[in-house]
Amino acid sequence: LLVESGGGLVQPGGSLRLSCVGSGFSFSSYSMNWVRQAPGKGLEWVSYISSGSTTIYYADSVKGRFTISRDNAKKSLFLQLNSLRAEDTAIYYCAREYRGSYYYMDVWGKGTTVTFSS
Amino acid sequence: SSELTQDPAVSVALGQTVRITCQGDSLRAFYANWYQQKPRQAPVLVIYGKNNRPSGIPDRFSGSSSGNTASLTITGAQAEDEASYYCNSRDSSGDHLGVFGGGTKLTVL
Repeated sequence: LLVESGGGLVQPGGSLRLSCVGSGFSFSSYSMNWVRQAPGKGLEWVSYISSGSTTIYYADSVKGRFTISRDNAKKSLFLQLNSLRAEDTAIYYCAREYRGSYYYMDVWGKGTTVTFSS
Repeated sequence: SSELTQDPAVSVALGQTVRITCQGDSLRAFYANWYQQKPRQAPVLVIYGKNNRPSGIPDRFSGSSSGNTASLTITGAQAEDEASYYCNSRDSSGDHLGVFGGGTKLTVL
């Protein structure tokens, strides 16, 4: 189970920190992702972090503004959102990634909503 | 990076078979995963890898791949299958699952 929190109303240039807590599995053994979905739009991958935080990737649309991190002792994943723009308005999902013969996101949270306020 | 292309909408009669496709260069090297998303719900993985179903996914869902095209087939579509379906694969470097298709809205008539 994954549960996100931290969403809310933000203003231009504002910041927000999203959290995702995992339970029912060995959180520290899995890579994790953030995926977002703007209102009425499709899924957009945002960021990836490996199980030990040694490897991190970002989508070009958020590079330099968002920072992914995790605390395995607290079974938590984070996404720091800075310099927010209107186009960052979306539901943000955290998703567990299985990496073996195949790569896939097999467990998703219900999402937390970031809404841009002008 | 790379792109995956899906038809925006597809319809199928109840009980019939429907194929949803996804095209992209990365699919020549990597399999697509498929996610089902119903309104106001989180995505659910329905097919991963060559043709694998997670526990709890009905066997009417299957996947296939040829060249740069991946397909999700629903054999005997049910009313509850009406949803949006997204393909997802690794980016061109193979480092992460950073590419989603635009999604296909499936209507069951």
